[in-house]
Amino acid sequence: SQKIEQNSEALNIQEGKTATLTCNYTNYSPAYLQWYRQDPGRGPVFLLLIRENEKEKRKERLKVTFDTTLKQSLFHITASQPADSATYLCALVRGSGNTGKLIFGQGTTLQVKP
Amino acid sequence: DTAVSQTPKYLVTQMGNDKSIKCEQNLGHDTMYWYKQDSKKFLKIMFSYNNKELIINETVPNRFSPKSPDKAHLNLHINSLELGDSAVYFCASSQDSLPAETQYFGPGTRLLVL
Repeated sequence: SQKIEQNSEALNIQEGKTATLTCNYTNYSPAYLQWYRQDPGRGPVFLLLIRENEKEKRKERLKVTFDTTLKQSLFHITASQPADSATYLCALVRGSGNTGKLIFGQGTTLQVKP
Repeated sequence: DTAVSQTPKYLVTQMGNDKSIKCEQNLGHDTMYWYKQDSKKFLKIMFSYNNKELIINETVPNRFSPKSPDKAHLNLHINSLELGDSAVYFCASSQDSLPAETQYFGPGTRLLVL
């Protein structure tokens, strides 16, 4: 069965550094992969989508890569700030058309210290 | 002007009771979803509706019955609540049912079954 793995251990980094979060998947070749941010007590918020034919996608301080050979996506936050502290979820798209769905990883919690 | 709203925010109830959670979106989206987030933070899709029609029904006990009276509303009724139903339930919506579409999540309903 398809599996998505994110580092379940919290990632602690110093303000100003680059945070890199990893999302690995097995037994599947998704056409798309999405990243969401979830703050405590709130619903996930969409950040970025990357397609299988895209190697990299950027949005302000965020960068996502998608390596379909390694079956891995990396999520980078440059010049990190304490306000970036949250849990980051990756989600791959399984299926297509109306019956396609998002399969989420369990998320990695990022803590940025001032 | 909340985009996706859910009520109630918290729900504490006894085993065996029946309860409902309501969801409304004012984004004009065609597709709505119910997700369950367990204690390990895995977010799993339960149902999705497109224009009031059920299109995704994951392996969910029959005790869970979604109802969509119109495009902007998706309610979840749970019969004979069990301890294992304790979780956070998120409603979400997207412009259409294609899986690459951005999903907008509500704030969640924290259900505790005693």
